[in-house]
Amino acid sequence: AQSVTQLGSHVSVSEGALVLLRCNYSSSVPPYLFWYVQYPNQGLQLLLKYTSAATLVKGINGFEAEFKKSETSFHLTKPSAHMSDAAEYFCAVSAYSGAGSYQLTFGKGTKLSVIP
Amino acid sequence: IAGITQAPTSQILAAGRRMTLRCTQDMRHNAMYWYRQDLGLGLRLIHYSNTAGTTGKGEVPDGYSVSRANTDDFPLTLASAVPSQTSVYFCASRDDLGGYTFGSGTRLTVV
Repeated sequence: AQSVTQLGSHVSVSEGALVLLRCNYSSSVPPYLFWYVQYPNQGLQLLLKYTSAATLVKGINGFEAEFKKSETSFHLTKPSAHMSDAAEYFCAVSAYSGAGSYQLTFGKGTKLSVIP
Repeated sequence: IAGITQAPTSQILAAGRRMTLRCTQDMRHNAMYWYRQDLGLGLRLIHYSNTAGTTGKGEVPDGYSVSRANTDDFPLTLASAVPSQTSVYFCASRDDLGGYTFGSGTRLTVV
């Protein structure tokens, strides 16, 4: 079984400040890891994904995440927050679960607010 | 444009009624999934299908059924809707490289 824990259901940062959204996962097999962003009343947009290549993954809109196996973490960062970054962010893990099946499991989400 | 189409976009449904949410993909992906999204709970897996002709239960399958008659279609049926099934439903598929494509969602309100 696999699981995802996102620390902090709500994070507030000032415009121009560092964004850090935390994600820890558990998986008994090598995982793929994802960050998605969701704007109000919209669908999911892929920010970035880790698929066992480089441990530092760069995504869209200036976001990046680092896979740390020893810490089972995949935290999302952005050096300087912009007002347009205000949204909900979901971390997700995908791993083989047997019988030809891959499961994508989501964290509960972190709502990011950006203060002018 | 390749992707996933979900229908309807939104629906208000009387409790006790039967409802089928439609999901169609044109990418020939084998694996497909249905999720529900609820405030504070993230997205939870309802049912999945690894390939046409097979289905499996996810985390929250009760009250829902699915079928996979062909590769492209993966409908989700609520046999007798209840208010607790009010949610936003997302269909997804998985490609051979491990990436996932999501539909735009169906907002369902059961009254």
